[in-house]
Amino acid sequence: KQEVTQIPAALSVPEGENLVLNCSFTDSAIYNLQWFRQDPGKGLTSLLLIQSSQREQTSGRLNASLDKSSGRSTLYIAASQPGDSATYLCAVTNDYKLSFGAGTTVTVRA
Amino acid sequence: DTAVSQTPKYLVTQMGNDKSIKCEQNLGHDTMYWYKQDSKKFLKIMFSYNNKELIINETVPNRFSPKSPDKAHLNLHINSLELGDSAVYFCASHNPGTGWNFGQGTRLTVV
Repeated sequence: KQEVTQIPAALSVPEGENLVLNCSFTDSAIYNLQWFRQDPGKGLTSLLLIQSSQREQTSGRLNASLDKSSGRSTLYIAASQPGDSATYLCAVTNDYKLSFGAGTTVTVRA
Repeated sequence: DTAVSQTPKYLVTQMGNDKSIKCEQNLGHDTMYWYKQDSKKFLKIMFSYNNKELIINETVPNRFSPKSPDKAHLNLHINSLELGDSAVYFCASHNPGTGWNFGQGTRLTVV
């Protein structure tokens, strides 16, 4: 059974600082890994999708890496802004299922 | 155009009632899902349909019955609602090339 762990559970940083969010998973036979953002009371917004054959993906200030053999992914957010405050969820796909971590709740202080 | 849309967005109902949540996707994906997000914000898979066929049925009470009339729709019917069913229910669709798309969620409150 796939287990996804996200560390830290919560993070508070001053505006402008870079963010590093970690995700680990127990079963490396994944199809892909996806990072999502969830604002309070809202749905899930997809940030980055990394296929199992890829090592990283970038979109604007966001960069996500994937090391499938060690079961790890890291999401980097450069030059954080108050608008980046949200919960970030890591999720991996195995056997048609998407398994989620519990999320990292980020607060960026102005 | 919303890729995955679900209705209603909010649902407040009494214990014992039967209710349905509807989901539609316009992405042409073959596979659709229902996920439940509990009070601790953890997302857990409930069901999956691939081209109208049930392929995943996690340990969910049989009061919950998904129905897929076609591959663009996956509805969730819940009988005899209980207090513990209160949660946010998310519909999703998946394509191997483009990943996952989620609806905006349905917040169900059972009183």
